[in-house]
Amino acid sequence: EADIYQTPRYLVIGTGKKITLECSQTMGHDKMYWYQQDPGMELHLIHYSYGVNSTEKGDLSSESTVSRIRTEHFPLTLESARPSHTSQYLCASSEWGSIELFFGEGSRLTVL
Amino acid sequence: KQEVTQIPAALSVPEGENLVLNCSFTDSAIYNLQWFRQDPGKGLTSLLLIQSSQREQTSGRLNASLDKSSGRSTLYIAASQPGDSATYLCASAPEDGGSQGNLIFGKGTKLSVKP
Repeated sequence: EADIYQTPRYLVIGTGKKITLECSQTMGHDKMYWYQQDPGMELHLIHYSYGVNSTEKGDLSSESTVSRIRTEHFPLTLESARPSHTSQYLCASSEWGSIELFFGEGSRLTVL
Repeated sequence: KQEVTQIPAALSVPEGENLVLNCSFTDSAIYNLQWFRQDPGKGLTSLLLIQSSQREQTSGRLNASLDKSSGRSTLYIAASQPGDSATYLCASAPEDGGSQGNLIFGKGTKLSVKP
């Protein structure tokens, strides 16, 4: 079973607040990813990282930012949340050379 | 641009039935194709991964097939159980960026197995 954790699982905040969604994995995976999933819709890749100090934007444009200071940690930050940011955010990781992704349980964000 | 379509969007079957979920993709230049399961409010669990050179993969009661030339994959579930109720997602990894993890997902098929 994969060991990848996301916090918070649920978050309801007001417009304009800064939020950070945490993602940690204990498998030593080099590659980590953030996907966004609106209800009833497809997942879309918004950020990925190949390792420490590596971050790239995915296909779906996002106002969020990410950092990768430690291998096991890949937080996502929204400086000023808006209602359009309401969505589920899923973190995943994989070994170098593998495309098999292991997902966390997601963070469901609601911005009022 | 790759598009992944899953049919049907929802399926309800009685327990014990064998069933097939369909996934089609527009660009046959894929690195691999994966099937995931998502329970309500949860993340995704990887079920089966088929490399582009393979035609099928099996795990327990699940069998996934891949036909690149026709742009189709199917997930076969044998002897369905209520515990199989979930949304099943298929995702393709592009051939030119497969190692990046940029999977293209379908919207999923929501399966309900009634006791």
